[in-house]
Amino acid sequence: AQSVAQPEDQVNVAEGNPLTVKCTYSVSGNPYLFWYVQYPNRGLQFLLKYITGDNLVKGSYGFEAEFNKSQTSFHLKKPSALVSDSALYFCAVRLYKAAGNKLTFGGGTRVLVKP
Amino acid sequence: NAGVTQTPKFQVLKTGQSMTLQCAQDMNHNSMYWYRQDPGMGLRLIYYSASEGTTDKGEVPNGYNVSRLNKREFSLRLESAAPSQTSVYFCASSEGQANTEAFFGQGTRLTVV
Repeated sequence: AQSVAQPEDQVNVAEGNPLTVKCTYSVSGNPYLFWYVQYPNRGLQFLLKYITGDNLVKGSYGFEAEFNKSQTSFHLKKPSALVSDSALYFCAVRLYKAAGNKLTFGGGTRVLVKP
Repeated sequence: NAGVTQTPKFQVLKTGQSMTLQCAQDMNHNSMYWYRQDPGMGLRLIYYSASEGTTDKGEVPNGYNVSRLNKREFSLRLESAAPSQTSVYFCASSEGQANTEAFFGQGTRLTVV
């Protein structure tokens, strides 16, 4: 079985400050990990993914994420947050060779960036 | 480039009514998925289709049926709607390999009264 946990329902950060959104996962094999962002009344948009190789992955809009196998974490980061980064963020995991390539999502973290 | 298109965008049903949510993708993807999104619960997989001609249950399949009509289209049917099915429904597609990202439609906001 595969599962994802996002321990924070909401993260508040001041504009210009670093932003971190936490994600931990549980799988019985090698994971593929993804981050998505959802703006109000919109579908999910892909931000970045970890497949293999370098543990630091860079994605869209200045976001990056660090894969940590020993801590089973894949935290999303942005060095300097913008008000426009305010949205709902989802971490997702897919197990290598999982049946149907199912994506399992965390519960989501709402990010509020204040001016 | 349309990507994943869902219809309708909004729907209100009475308890016991039936309806079909439509989804089509134009990216030649093999796999398609239906998720529901409820406050505080993230996205939960209802059904998926790993490839044309196959469908399988996800986490929360009860009360739903699906049809993979062809490679492009994957519909979700509610035979007898219940208030517990009030949710936002998302269709998604991916190429079919585990390391590829999924692309999502804009969602259907369904209210069952």
